[in-house]
Amino acid sequence: SQQGEEDPQALSIQEGENATMNCSYKTSINNLQWYRQNSGRGLVHLILIRSNEREKHSGRLRVTLDTSKKSSSLLITASRAADTASYFCATVATGRRALTFGSGTRLQVQP
Amino acid sequence: KAGVTQTPRYLIKTRGQQVTLSCSPISGHRSVSWYQQTPGQGLQFLFEYFSETQRNKGNFPGRFSGRQFSNSRSEMNVSTLELGDSALYLCASSLDLGVGTDTQYFGPGTRLTVL
Repeated sequence: SQQGEEDPQALSIQEGENATMNCSYKTSINNLQWYRQNSGRGLVHLILIRSNEREKHSGRLRVTLDTSKKSSSLLITASRAADTASYFCATVATGRRALTFGSGTRLQVQP
Repeated sequence: KAGVTQTPRYLIKTRGQQVTLSCSPISGHRSVSWYQQTPGQGLQFLFEYFSETQRNKGNFPGRFSGRQFSNSRSEMNVSTLELGDSALYLCASSLDLGVGTDTQYFGPGTRLTVL
């Protein structure tokens, strides 16, 4: 079963705009990770944020984590058509190893 | 370094048959995990292998099994296929640096269609 939900389920923006995706989860976690998936292919790891971290940056990506609200957000700045994909958050529960995925956000970036 | 490879990429089987999927992890990675992705259930954890032993298991019936070889390569087997087993099966490998600290790297997946 999935750990939580992602919001929105689908997002359509213009190139150059920022895209924000939110993820909620249910249990205490060791870390939270974001992945990208293009057209039903494999998952590409984007960023990992540990439970004791509040914010992390990687290039045009910014991830925040609020463990008190059990939520995370992924911000993609200055989006490009190549960012069109599905984005998934995945959590590793405390003491566990397996990833539990959210339902995903489908991002469409219009050129 | 080469990434995670999975074979075959596409597979068509009929109900009642069995299937074996293969995964080669990134060189040096000792942990291999398998996930199933379907439109209805999303991404779900099947099992994880480390040092040729199943270390974790998801909530799937016994028809789903796997194994890991001494070179860390892994196979998963699904017996008595059902229509609902149609899915993208993803393999992921990691260095296994410690509980909850690893990044898992995914392969391209095997698309299984059961007719």
